[in-house]
Amino acid sequence: GESVGLHLPTLSVQEGDNSIINCAYSNSASDYFIWYKQESGKGPQFIIDIRSNMDKRQGQRVTVLLNKTVKHLSLQIAATQPGDSAVYFCAEGIQGAQKLVFGQGTRLTINP
Amino acid sequence: DGGITQSPKYLFRKEGQNVTLSCEQNLNHDAMYWYRQDPGQGLRLIYYSQIVNDFQKGDIAEGYSVSREKKESFPLTVTSAQKNPTAFYLCASKSYGSYNEQFFGPGTRLTVL
Repeated sequence: GESVGLHLPTLSVQEGDNSIINCAYSNSASDYFIWYKQESGKGPQFIIDIRSNMDKRQGQRVTVLLNKTVKHLSLQIAATQPGDSAVYFCAEGIQGAQKLVFGQGTRLTINP
Repeated sequence: DGGITQSPKYLFRKEGQNVTLSCEQNLNHDAMYWYRQDPGQGLRLIYYSQIVNDFQKGDIAEGYSVSREKKESFPLTVTSAQKNPTAFYLCASKSYGSYNEQFFGPGTRLTVL
């Protein structure tokens, strides 16, 4: 019911370490994936996206990996900083459809 | 500045009252979306609109209504039929095309007393 997932998965990392946030997506037909970052009380912000014809894409300090065989997506953040503290969501979509399906999210906390 | 605005940031209403949340965008985006977010959960789609004067139900449309009279505006009404309306409401928009990300507004936190 609506109460499923009341407690977000949490990842705690030391400042300066690399962070890896994982996401299992649901639809094998999905061909577009996005990672969003949401800080407390704010709207989600786009981080990086990847299409299904790729298995890796790099941005500034972030890398997204896509494994279509096991329907798995990951976000790697290099040299994690205090400003990276947030909830991270993956989202999946299908070409031609104008909707995204969002995952539950993972809370990233940074230890000084 | 281009972007999406939602107002107000915080909204309080008494149980049984309808309330309308505002969403405006000046990005010239065709599609607009409303999501609901509850603590510890992801975003759930309420309604979306791809063009003016047309909209579709999302996964949790019951108790909500929308209109799309202008490209820039997509207001959401939370009606008294919504059983549990207290939540964080997010509006988003995107340009036409499959591989374009949705841009989000800052959200409105609705509390029904």
